[in-house]
Amino acid sequence: EAGVVQSPRYKIIEKKQPVAFWCNPISGHNTLYWYLQNLGQGPELLIRYENEEAVDDSQLPKDRFSAERLKGVDSTLKIQPAELGDSAVYLCASSLTPDTYEQYFGPGTRLTVT
Amino acid sequence: AQTVTQSQPEMSVQEAETVTLSCTYDTSESDYYLFWYKQPPSRQMILVIRQEAYKQQNATENRFSVNFQKAAKSFSLKISDSQLGDAAMYFCAYRSATFTGANSKLTFGKGITLSVRP
Repeated sequence: EAGVVQSPRYKIIEKKQPVAFWCNPISGHNTLYWYLQNLGQGPELLIRYENEEAVDDSQLPKDRFSAERLKGVDSTLKIQPAELGDSAVYLCASSLTPDTYEQYFGPGTRLTVT
Repeated sequence: AQTVTQSQPEMSVQEAETVTLSCTYDTSESDYYLFWYKQPPSRQMILVIRQEAYKQQNATENRFSVNFQKAAKSFSLKISDSQLGDAAMYFCAYRSATFTGANSKLTFGKGITLSVRP
């Protein structure tokens, strides 16, 4: 069984540029999560999807961040424009249902904003 | 709001020895889950072990076991017979047993870097 796939693995951009991250969850997993992990910190939830509906986006900075999960499968997280403080690892995770305790994580995308 | 605290930023253990990683948490809930995740340099978070708060028996998974002290809100991870492949960052995490809205998220500690000496 394939795990959670994320791309790209690394991304370097200049500040004020846009950037997008892609996530493909485990097949059949209805719930998808985007986490932000700053250096030396634990992940923090940005947004959670149940199918194509964003059910918890309270931590997403909506002035510059957006996300979508069309057709309830793949998801894209976008930052526009990027700021220096956005340099971090962006992790995607999925679970079978919202009630499932185990979340399966992807390898993350390491973003560097210069 | 729930908080998870890992006060030790780094630990080191000799190969084949035993090491214990500490974690404390704060919550007003009575029913919840606690987890230990491993994050190697590849960055992929891997679930090591979980504990349901309503269970008194400590969880065990092969060389990994926990010491869950609900009244003290303490949740430590013991790694026995440490192996070189155990070197990684370890995160303690909390999740409410109520899977609605913000309660469904994992709350992580800052993590601890474990190194294993050959």
